[in-house]
Amino acid sequence: NAGVTQTPKFRVLKTGQSMTLLCAQDMNHEYMYWYRQDPGMGLRLIHYSVGEGTTAKGEVPDGYNVSRLKKQNFLLGLESAAPSQTSVYFCAGGGTGELFFGEGSRLTVL
Amino acid sequence: GESVGLHLPTLSVQEGDNSIINCAYSNSASDYFIWYKQESGKGPQFIIDIRSNMDKRQGQRVTVLLNKTVKHLSLQIAATQPGDSAVYFCVAPGGGNKLTFGTGTQLKVEL
Repeated sequence: NAGVTQTPKFRVLKTGQSMTLLCAQDMNHEYMYWYRQDPGMGLRLIHYSVGEGTTAKGEVPDGYNVSRLKKQNFLLGLESAAPSQTSVYFCAGGGTGELFFGEGSRLTVL
Repeated sequence: GESVGLHLPTLSVQEGDNSIINCAYSNSASDYFIWYKQESGKGPQFIIDIRSNMDKRQGQRVTVLLNKTVKHLSLQIAATQPGDSAVYFCVAPGGGNKLTFGTGTQLKVEL
């Protein structure tokens, strides 16, 4: 039982490259979330999902896309990375109430 | 909206003292409120939650107080320890279980 697992944990990209962050959970959570965290900015919600096949926009969705084809996986995609997307990304899963977070993925866009 | 804000971005306390972290919220429709703790280099961890029909809830060394009249939430930590040093977030769920965290409060425990 690994909980919530994010891959990769570190990645360096060049401006314009694309990539996908994977969040996998083995706790049968209905809800899954992607946040980004920048210094002094707290956690900002990018996109979230309330069930398999559903996604919704959060506070800062521009430049990102997500998919939840399977209940256990929530993918965050960057189609054309920009330096402003340099951040630490956290995925979380849960029901109503407690969220379980992954360890974070540090992304640097040069 | 369900924005949350914090009165103090940084709180410094002496080890052994009690800590009080405050939070203002705007979403009157939230059914519950949650406090999270984030240690350096880690993801946030759930501390305690409180239903909107409650005024107070106690956990192990922590107490959460809810004042719906003024839309204010507080987290009290008794006998603060060095391990309590972290950033604390309050969360007021919005519609559709949209969970936004805000900036957080940095708690620093001085020895």
